[in-house]
Amino acid sequence: DGGITQSPKYLFRKEGQNVTLSCEQNLNHDAMYWYRQDPGQGLRLIYYSQIVNDFQKGDIAEGYSVSREKKESFPLTVTSAQKNPTAFYLCASRDRQETQYFGPGTRLLVL
Amino acid sequence: AQSVTQLGSHVSVSEGALVLLRCNYSSSVPPYLFWYVQYPNQGLQLLLKYTSAATLVKGINGFEAEFKKSETSFHLTKPSAHMSDAAEYFCAAGKPQGGSEKLVFGKGTKLTVNP
Repeated sequence: DGGITQSPKYLFRKEGQNVTLSCEQNLNHDAMYWYRQDPGQGLRLIYYSQIVNDFQKGDIAEGYSVSREKKESFPLTVTSAQKNPTAFYLCASRDRQETQYFGPGTRLLVL
Repeated sequence: AQSVTQLGSHVSVSEGALVLLRCNYSSSVPPYLFWYVQYPNQGLQLLLKYTSAATLVKGINGFEAEFKKSETSFHLTKPSAHMSDAAEYFCAAGKPQGGSEKLVFGKGTKLTVNP
């Protein structure tokens, strides 16, 4: 079954801690994305990558970091510099017909 | 910069009634346009997309959307609402002249379906 997986479903962060959210896809898509969703705010782009070993900042990259060492994987690290990390995080990938497909999401909560 | 406006953060309809969710985009050159649906605590699922091939686009679950360049609109409709349509709906726009390298999302419309 082809698709996008995100883990964990729920993640708890303590103050001062870095946490990493996993995103894996087996759709053979080149481009991958990370979005943050807050109630009533829609989706905001954090980082995106159009090819392995390359990525660009989105609209709200401060306090986040990414890597793209493999085509299938695009992990997001929420650093301690992100002062308001509580949100629903969505990963997506884009096909050659310009359509983005989304994973099931990770909800990050602060202890 | 491109922006997407969804009129009405909450829409309530009766089961069997027409569903109309409004979306307007800002660019003078038509972008690629998308409607997604999100059920609670889940990711977004593509309903339909406009890529300049046809102005009336049919999607999944009986939904369709009409692209109107003169009104810079891409409203989503369904003739008869079903209880299972209750969800949040997002309109998104790609780059003017095509492509979806970066999507801009509206803030979403939560649809409630009353029995």
